[in-house]
Amino acid sequence: GENVEQHPSTLSVQEGDSAVIKCTYSDSASNYFPWYKQELGKRPQLIIDIRSNVGEKKDQRIAVTLNKTAKHFSLHITETQPEDSAVYFCAASTGTGGFKTIFGAGTRLFVKA
Amino acid sequence: NAGVTQTPKFQVLKTGQSMTLQCAQDMNHEYMSWYRQDPGMGLRLIHYSVGAGITDQGEVPNGYNVSRSTTEDFPLRLLSAAPSQTSVYFCASALGLAGYNEQFFGPGTRLTVL
Repeated sequence: GENVEQHPSTLSVQEGDSAVIKCTYSDSASNYFPWYKQELGKRPQLIIDIRSNVGEKKDQRIAVTLNKTAKHFSLHITETQPEDSAVYFCAASTGTGGFKTIFGAGTRLFVKA
Repeated sequence: NAGVTQTPKFQVLKTGQSMTLQCAQDMNHEYMSWYRQDPGMGLRLIHYSVGAGITDQGEVPNGYNVSRSTTEDFPLRLLSAAPSQTSVYFCASALGLAGYNEQFFGPGTRLTVL
């Protein structure tokens, strides 16, 4: 079955620096790759996603890149702020609408003011 | 819209007891899923459904049953609770149309099995 590996498990950056989180997936049929942010004690919420026919997508300070050949995708956060501190999950989905979604283990991001 | 709702918010069970975690959505979403979240292990897919009457197993289905008799509801049943099932359980739903993949999560149920 699908397996998603995520690195690093913990990331600490200084406010204003960039943060990069990397994921790899195993199922070549995966066609949708969302990223979720989860603040302490709250539910995960989608922050950005990318489809298999797109190599890069950007939304303000957040960008995601996808390399289908290498089965690798990454989240980039620029100009980090303390409110970016949270756990970030990557995921990979197969099927119409991406209904079967497998998540990575998560990255705990600390942004130091 | 209430979005995705889950009940109860907290539950303590004894080993061997059974219970049902409730999940409902009022967004007319076709896709619904159950995840469990354990420290350091992310969100693991238990079961999912692509529409009323259709369910399938995820990564960790053992010990759990589901059914989908209506579009709105997707209950998760624990037949005989075990301490290994202590976790936070999230239900999620998605519209199900091509291009509308975002999953919306419920607030979660924190389950402790003694």
